[in-house]
This record gives sequence, C-alpha cells and structure tokens, in this order.
Amino acid sequence: NAGVTQTPKFRVLKTGQSMTLLCAQDMNHEYMYWYRQDPGMGLRLIHYSVGEGTTAKGEVPDGYNVSRLKKQNFLLGLESAAPSQTSVYFCASSTFTGDEQYFGPGTRLTVT
Amino acid sequence: GENVEQHPSTLSVQEGDSAVIKCTYSDSASNYFPWYKQELGKRPQLIIDIRSNVGEKKDQRIAVTLNKTAKHFSLHITETQPEDSAVYFCAAIRAGGATNKLIFGTGTLLAVQP
Repeated sequence: NAGVTQTPKFRVLKTGQSMTLLCAQDMNHEYMYWYRQDPGMGLRLIHYSVGEGTTAKGEVPDGYNVSRLKKQNFLLGLESAAPSQTSVYFCASSTFTGDEQYFGPGTRLTVT
Repeated sequence: GENVEQHPSTLSVQEGDSAVIKCTYSDSASNYFPWYKQELGKRPQLIIDIRSNVGEKKDQRIAVTLNKTAKHFSLHITETQPEDSAVYFCAAIRAGGATNKLIFGTGTLLAVQP
C-alpha cells in the first residue's frame, strides 16, 4: 500500500514551458487535492476533486488546470509556467471532506 | 469564506518545557479542526484533530482544545523533545458543507532546544 505518490519529485522549467504533475493514490479515496506551499504562507489549495470526472477551484487556481479521469489519479497542469509558480506542490487525498487528508511526498518545482 | 490565523510564527522552547500554538477561525460553521506536523523536507502528517462537539482531546503528550464561542483552538505539547521540532499547521473546515475546502494557517516553526 503506497498511499499517495507524486511524480516527479523535482523539476526545473523555463518560463513559458508546460508540464504535468501526477498524483496517484491506492486507498480508494473519493477526494483529492492539490496544494502549493510557499515560505510563510502555509498550504494553499489550488484545485480539488470530489470524485472521478469532477474538479473544482480552490484558493489559487489561476495558471493551473486539473483533470481526474480515473479515481486514483489527479493531474495538475501548468500550460505556461511563470517564476511565480516556483513552489513545492503537495497532493492529498481523503475519504470524504472532514476526514484526515493523506499527503504525497511533494514536488519541488523551480521556474527560471 | 473561512480564514485561519495562527500564532506564533516561530516558537523556541527548552527540552521538557510545554509549547502552545493558537489558531483562530472566522467561519462559525466550521466543525473539524486538524493539526498537521511537517518535518523539514517531509510531507505534512496529521497528529491530532478535534470536532466541534468536543472541547478537548488528548493523545499522550499532545492535546487540542476548542473554544467555539471565541472561535479559537490550540495545540498543547507537554514535555517537549527534540524530535518535536517541526512546522505545525492548524486547519479548519465545515465538514459536509458545500465548499469542501480545508483552510490552513500559515504554520508555526517549533524549535526544541536540547
């Protein structure tokens, strides 16, 4: 049981490049989330999903897109990376809202 | 929407002393309040949580108290040890509500000096 995994662990992008971050969970959780973590700002919710085929905006959705084609996977896309998107990205999942969220190991993204 | 404020941003204690971290929330409908611990370079992990129908919850050296009237909740760590050094985040959510969003505080860096 791997829990929540994220791919890749590290990435360096140039401004304007695109990339997709993959989150996978093997706990059969309904809810999945993408957060970004910046120094002094805690964890901020980018997008989330309450089930396969559904997505919703969080606090800071601009510049990101997501897809939940399969229940176990939640993808975060950056279409045109900007230096302001340099951050550590965490994926999380939970059985339902109001329950413990299990976090992945994080992806450190640097945009130059 | 919900807003969570957390204080202090940094806290240094001597080993064996107690540490207290406080959070306030704005949405009186919030009913689930977890605390996460994040060690350097690691993922956040849940250490304790409390729901609005309970005023206090303990788990060995850690406890959380909730004051719904004042809309604040606190994390208490007794007999601190060096391995308690980490960043601690509080959070709040209206479980079962329409927004489904867990709102985090900005974190407290706890340093336990041996």
